[in-house]
Amino acid sequence: GDSVTQMEGPVTLSEEAFLTINCTYTATGYPSLFWYVQYPGEGLQLLLKATKADDKGSNKGFEATYRKETTSFHLEKGSVQVSDSAVYFCALSGISSNTGKLIFGQGTTLQVKP
Amino acid sequence: EPEVTQTPSHQVTQMGQEVILRCVPISNHLYFYWYRQILGQKVEFLVSFYNNEISEKSEIFDDQFSVERPDGSNFTLKIRSTKLEDSAMYFCASGGAVSGTDTQYFGPGTRLTVL
Repeated sequence: GDSVTQMEGPVTLSEEAFLTINCTYTATGYPSLFWYVQYPGEGLQLLLKATKADDKGSNKGFEATYRKETTSFHLEKGSVQVSDSAVYFCALSGISSNTGKLIFGQGTTLQVKP
Repeated sequence: EPEVTQTPSHQVTQMGQEVILRCVPISNHLYFYWYRQILGQKVEFLVSFYNNEISEKSEIFDDQFSVERPDGSNFTLKIRSTKLEDSAMYFCASGGAVSGTDTQYFGPGTRLTVL
């Protein structure tokens, strides 16, 4: 079945460092891909998404490119801030389901130190 | 900006008791979901709901679970006889369309603790 794998955390960075959180997926066909973020004490918020191969999703300085050839959707940011400290979830919505259900990775905790 | 709300934020119950978790989805959305996250594990899909019926459910969603949209605004998840392993964060989500490109909006979650 469809699945998502994320890099293990926590990831600890200094402010203004470059961020990469790896995400790979297994799915039939061309799923839609998402990054959600969970700030402490809050729910999941959509950060960005991409719906077809080679699409780049971007928001708040974060980017991720849908790579079909490597089945990846890595999250990047050029310069992280303390306020980016959160848990980041990669997810897919596959064609094997007709209800739009999301399949999540295990989440990666990011800690940014001043 | 519209948002999904959930109540209560934290529910503590004794094993074997029934609990009802409540959600108010975004008002013009048509598709509703429950997910759960056991501490330290992945967010897992439980059930999707459309047009007043379940459209898909996972293996986790057994006969102890049920969902209902009792009126035009609330969406509830009932666990009839809670077990220790039901302790988790439960997230409600809603979306405007079922296509995989559509965004699901999540509530803040209800932390369920079964003692």
